Amino acid sequence: QVQLVESGGGVVQPGRSLRLSCAASGFTFSSYGMHWVRQAPGKGLEWVAAVSYDGSNKYYVDSVKGRFTISRDNSKNTLHLQMNSLRAEDTAVYHCTKEDYDGSGSYTGHWGQGTPVSVSS
Amino acid sequence: DIQMTQSPSSLSASVGDRVTITCRASQDINNYVAWFQQKPGKAPKSLIYAASSLQSGVPSKFSGSGSGTDFTLTISSLQPEDFATYFCQQYKSYPLTFGGGTKVEIK
Repeated sequence: QVQLVESGGGVVQPGRSLRLSCAASGFTFSSYGMHWVRQAPGKGLEWVAAVSYDGSNKYYVDSVKGRFTISRDNSKNTLHLQMNSLRAEDTAVYHCTKEDYDGSGSYTGHWGQGTPVSVSS
Repeated sequence: DIQMTQSPSSLSASVGDRVTITCRASQDINNYVAWFQQKPGKAPKSLIYAASSLQSGVPSKFSGSGSGTDFTLTISSLQPEDFATYFCQQYKSYPLTFGGGTKVEIK
């Protein structure tokens, strides 16, 4: 079955960087788009970024454009999120998600448990 | 960006009750809506996609309907394991956006 295991979260000072990783298994990783979605403490879900199956297309929410970079290594079945210039408002649990295709569109069908990121001085 | 307005933000219900949650999109999104269930400390779980299609393995007490801008998730007979928070998501266009969530609590 699909397994998505995130790592790399932690406590970091404002302005510093962090790199999240997601190890994927149970499906053909190189055939699916992947996303990061975050959830701030006590808040709802916010989509952060997506990358196409081959890494050629990337999409970001406006609040992270220019600071975060999504990437993937299909040879290692791994998704990454490089987060630079971190801000307090980036504090959240970050979930790795796998796209599922409904015949005409793609949604975030499978989710990992998430890795917590806390940005604090 | 497409806004998803979800209501109610919380509700109290009893075991056996029929529960309906609504999401309204700020523009026509055809049927590009998914619904998720989240329990405390757990990852969200997909219930419904394409507005009304049941995700594999999800019990048939969950159903979705709607098209265009108005969507509903219905739980036909609430059971103890259904007390959780539910979110809608539109995937018509980027950025993907979620509703604010509905917390379903025990009355």
